[in-house]
Amino acid sequence: QKEVEQDPGPLSVPEGAIVSLNCTYSNSAFQYFMWYRQYSRKGPELLMYTYSSGNKEDGRFTAQVDKSSKYISLFIRDSQPSDSATYLCAMDGGSQGNLIFGKGTKLSVKP
Amino acid sequence: EAGVAQSPRYKIIEKRQSVAFWCNPISGHATLYWYQQILGQGPKLLIQFQNNGVVDDSQLPKDRFSAERLKGVDSTLKIQPAKLEDSAVYLCASSHLTYEQYFGPGTRLTVT
Repeated sequence: QKEVEQDPGPLSVPEGAIVSLNCTYSNSAFQYFMWYRQYSRKGPELLMYTYSSGNKEDGRFTAQVDKSSKYISLFIRDSQPSDSATYLCAMDGGSQGNLIFGKGTKLSVKP
Repeated sequence: EAGVAQSPRYKIIEKRQSVAFWCNPISGHATLYWYQQILGQGPKLLIQFQNNGVVDDSQLPKDRFSAERLKGVDSTLKIQPAKLEDSAVYLCASSHLTYEQYFGPGTRLTVT
């Protein structure tokens, strides 16, 4: 079993839809949970991070962490064509900083 | 604030040749990372530096890959000799805090 599992998609939604992206993980030592956005031929860009369980909201984006289920989610409200990108979840055990990434989910928002 | 700079952006080499990538992190970031991202995969850490010391190189194929960060700022990653499976994007990232890593645009390497 891989440490971080993420459905690669692709996921296609109409503009204005609510998008739900998810990752599961196996290592209970993970404490920080990150979501990165990666546009084609660009480096990953940090969207949000959450420490431990709970929710965090930033504009149209909401990150949720459920440590009891080892499950994290990213919700995008009122999705826009500019949200079309690959979304990567990443986790950090809180030690030296070795981020473990999921494979990424490719999202396409159609006008 | 200037971001992480990397060069070259693209490189095509034949197998068994050598190649080097350069990274300039965000000013003031003590920690620098090199990741390998194979098409369709998430980035995989190759090596992590804290200032000019190596923190983690457990996933670096040391028989062919080497990296250095001599003055605690810029870093170079070298592959010698390259194999076909080294075709990937090589990403450099830097951070002040572990969970806030900032990535450069990457170097896309094609080995033929």
